[in-house]
Amino acid sequence: DIQMTQSPSTLSASVGDRVTITCRASQSISSWLAWYQQKPGKAPKLLIYKASSLESGVPSRFSGSGSGTEFTLTISSLQPDDFATYYCQQYNSYSPSITFGQGTRLEIK
Amino acid sequence: QVQLVQSGAEVKKPGASVKVSCKASGYTFTGYYMHWVRQAPGQGLEWMGWINPNSGGTNYAQKFQGRVTMTRDTSISTAYMELSRLRSDDTAVYYCAREMGSYSSGWYQRGWFDPWGQGTLVTVSS
Repeated sequence: DIQMTQSPSTLSASVGDRVTITCRASQSISSWLAWYQQKPGKAPKLLIYKASSLESGVPSRFSGSGSGTEFTLTISSLQPDDFATYYCQQYNSYSPSITFGQGTRLEIK
Repeated sequence: QVQLVQSGAEVKKPGASVKVSCKASGYTFTGYYMHWVRQAPGQGLEWMGWINPNSGGTNYAQKFQGRVTMTRDTSISTAYMELSRLRSDDTAVYYCAREMGSYSSGWYQRGWFDPWGQGTLVTVSS
C-alpha cells in the first residue's frame, strides 16, 4: 500500500499568516491527490483535487501544488474559519487501496 | 443538490454486527463508486473499501476483509456497510463518500471523494 505522511502534525498560526502543510507519498502518485478540511463533529470537506485544482466554492486563499511524491497545501492568509484539521488523500488507480495522511491540526497561536 | 444521508447512531455489544445505510440523492446513484471511511475518536481517517453501485462489485481494505460487507439497493439509491464481530476498537464515526472517478478510453481513473455523508456514530460497549 502507498503510505501518506503529513507534516507537521500540529501547526500553530495566527490570523493573516501564510501556512503550508506538506504531504509525502511513499511512491509516485502522479497528481492523484486531494486535500480535505475537517472541523470537529463534521464530515471532511473537499478543498483541492488533482493536486492543484480548487473545488468550486472554496476560497482562493487555498492552493495546492506538487506531483509525484511531494505535495503542499498553502493557505495564503489565514482566516478564523480556517482553524481545523487537514488531510491529504491519494487515489492512484494503480493502488488497490485509498490512503489518507494522518492529518494536520491547524490551531490558533 | 447532491446529498448523502446516513442512518442514525448505533450502540452495539461486542461480537454483534452493525449495518449502516447511506441514501444518495441529486445524482445517478449507479454512476459513481461509493466508499466507506471511518474515524475513531480523536483519530484520523481510515479507508474501509468501496462498492460499485452499478455492478455490485466490491473492494475491501485488507484490515477489514472477512468482517465487512458492502451492498446496495439501486431501487432506493442506498448503499450499506455491515461490520460484523464488533470489538470496542470499532467504536468510530462511519462515513460514506461518493468517488468522483471517471472512464477514459476504457480505463477507470479513480477520483476524489465528494460529497461525504454526515457520519454515523457506532459505539461498541458491553
